[in-house]
Amino acid sequence: GAVVSQHPSWVICKSGTSVKIECRSLDFQATTMFWYRQFPKQSLMLMATSNEGSKATYEQGVEKDKFLINHASLTLSTLTVTSAHPEDSSFYICSAGRLLQGEKLFFGSGTQLSVL
Amino acid sequence: QKEVEQNSGPLSVPEGAIASLNCTYSDRGSQSFFWYRQYSGKSPELIMSIYSNGDKEDGRFTAQLNKASQYVSLLIRDSQPSDSATYLCAVNMRRVVRGAQKLVFGQGTRLTINP
Repeated sequence: GAVVSQHPSWVICKSGTSVKIECRSLDFQATTMFWYRQFPKQSLMLMATSNEGSKATYEQGVEKDKFLINHASLTLSTLTVTSAHPEDSSFYICSAGRLLQGEKLFFGSGTQLSVL
Repeated sequence: QKEVEQNSGPLSVPEGAIASLNCTYSDRGSQSFFWYRQYSGKSPELIMSIYSNGDKEDGRFTAQLNKASQYVSLLIRDSQPSDSATYLCAVNMRRVVRGAQKLVFGQGTRLTINP
């Protein structure tokens, strides 16, 4: 099946710094990628949809200036958490696929972010 | 009303029994439905997808879909301790804007299989 690679797997940073997370589709072209956030013992919450070559679509309540998404190519989307705070500590997961054709989404391995 | 709703559990089932997981969704126009399994600290792993009303079987897993009732379920037969995990129901939903789609997850059901 398709593979989605996410990097880094975990990151620890100081409050106020920015963190970039990369999501790559390894064997298919992904015009759309999705970014989810998961707090402990909670479900996956969709943060934004990353669209290749255009602006991302953010879900209600997600600050677009804080969570910067760039989807510059058909195989790479990045999520940058700017001016991170301890409340941003979470498990961030990207996924890619072709939902419009009813196909499955493939998930990256996730990034555990801890902000001190 | 939540877009996708599951019984949060926890659900405890003896080894060898049938585990039954349920999910309801709000968007009547949804066409694609998925069950994922997630172990602690890991990404979700796709178990089943279902698109048509009725049952779909894959090994010990059976997904059931009833679009009229906006209900989808997952049955696990001959439950094994290794089936212990959180099970996530996901529904492909239409966006209001641009006609695009998004995958929305339920809150997950924590399942424990007792030896």
